Amino acid sequence: DSGVTQTPKHLITATGQRVTLRCSPRSGDLSVYWYQQSLDQGLQFLIQYYNGEERAKGNILERFSAQQFPDLHSELNLSSLELGDSALYFCASSVSLAQETQYFGPGTRLLVL
Amino acid sequence: QKEVEQDPGPLSVPEGAIVSLNCTYSNSAFQYFMWYRQYSRKGPELLMYTYSSGNKEDGRFTAQVDKSSKYISLFIRDSQPSDSATYLCAMSASRQGAQKLVFGQGTRLTINP
Repeated sequence: DSGVTQTPKHLITATGQRVTLRCSPRSGDLSVYWYQQSLDQGLQFLIQYYNGEERAKGNILERFSAQQFPDLHSELNLSSLELGDSALYFCASSVSLAQETQYFGPGTRLLVL
Repeated sequence: QKEVEQDPGPLSVPEGAIVSLNCTYSNSAFQYFMWYRQYSRKGPELLMYTYSSGNKEDGRFTAQVDKSSKYISLFIRDSQPSDSATYLCAMSASRQGAQKLVFGQGTRLTINP
């Protein structure tokens, strides 16, 4: 168990809908990362927050947004969902900005029908 | 062409065999190299972290980096059924900056008892 929690574990929704994925980092970790993992694209970095502020952006679509709250938990919002958004979404957290210190959560499996 | 190429497998070997997993890359600026293990329906977990060229050993696992050939390897000795997982390589030119970390597609490995 990495100490990173993600809810829900599974999510099934329809095209055009909006969903929110939640992540609680390990105790003491200030940085939260979101990744998308799909069969064709592999693991892709979406966005990073550090102590409440956006730190880095990757290949995140404009339909997707995220935030980190004062208690350091983070939410990833996915809107106007398309079939191609079906994927595993991972959250990771780290105590520093060094990449090798990231700990991944168990992921949320999203299925868009 | 992708920056990081990794044979997706699947790779199936008998218990006790030596396993070799490999990645090639095109960006000569990469200096930080990682191997992650991902069990089914779990998040990736960091196995090995190396900086620049050379070897690093941790128990049954050895990571090798050959920057001249732009080639990295992970060797697993005395493989066990519990090693069955997907192995992802990852690399970056900078130690910080999650958006700069590039992952391979992952190799699915099965160790047969």
